[in-house]
Amino acid sequence: NAGVTQTPKFQVLKTGQSMTLQCAQDMNHNSMYWYRQDPGMGLRLIYYSASEGTTDKGEVPNGYNVSRLNKREFSLRLESAAPSQTSVYFCASKPLADPSSSTDTQYFGPGTRLTVL
Amino acid sequence: AQSVAQPEDQVNVAEGNPLTVKCTYSVSGNPYLFWYVQYPNRGLQFLLKYITGDNLVKGSYGFEAEFNKSQTSFHLKKPSALVSDSALYFCAVRDRGLTGGGNKLTFGTGTQLKVEL
Repeated sequence: NAGVTQTPKFQVLKTGQSMTLQCAQDMNHNSMYWYRQDPGMGLRLIYYSASEGTTDKGEVPNGYNVSRLNKREFSLRLESAAPSQTSVYFCASKPLADPSSSTDTQYFGPGTRLTVL
Repeated sequence: AQSVAQPEDQVNVAEGNPLTVKCTYSVSGNPYLFWYVQYPNRGLQFLLKYITGDNLVKGSYGFEAEFNKSQTSFHLKKPSALVSDSALYFCAVRDRGLTGGGNKLTFGTGTQLKVEL
């Protein structure tokens, strides 16, 4: 099992450029999430997909769009990148599990470090 | 609304000494509480989860956490720190009373643990 994989690992964009961050999981998990991590602010949820075919906004969705392509893949798109979107982006997935079980937890990918100039 | 506070940006401890990383939470109902660890340039890894019952939760790598309902705290502890424990630690909460919505977690801002020889 590769777990949660993210591509690319690093990316530099110019203001106004667009790009898509890719995420895939091979654990047959139902839910998938996109977070951004900024110094002193912890992880903030951008978008999530509770199950295949559904997506919902998180805490900081402005400037982003997502696609749940299938059960395995959940992509994050920046249509017109801004310097404020410089961050480390993490994808996570979670199985369908009883909330009162220890398996009901999120599994994270290695992250994508994005710089917008 | 649910929230988490990690009051210390950094905790320094000598190898072999006990360590504590503090976390307090706020939920309208009862919580599920989590600790995650992040090593440099890696994604978050699950350490442990409080579900119910025993107030002392044992997790990976010798870590444990103490749940205190009256103080709304969930401090992470280890009896004897190792240099290899140096990492960024995140506390997270989910309100049990919230159903659906992707079972979203709210993360704290993180505490950098530095264990020195």
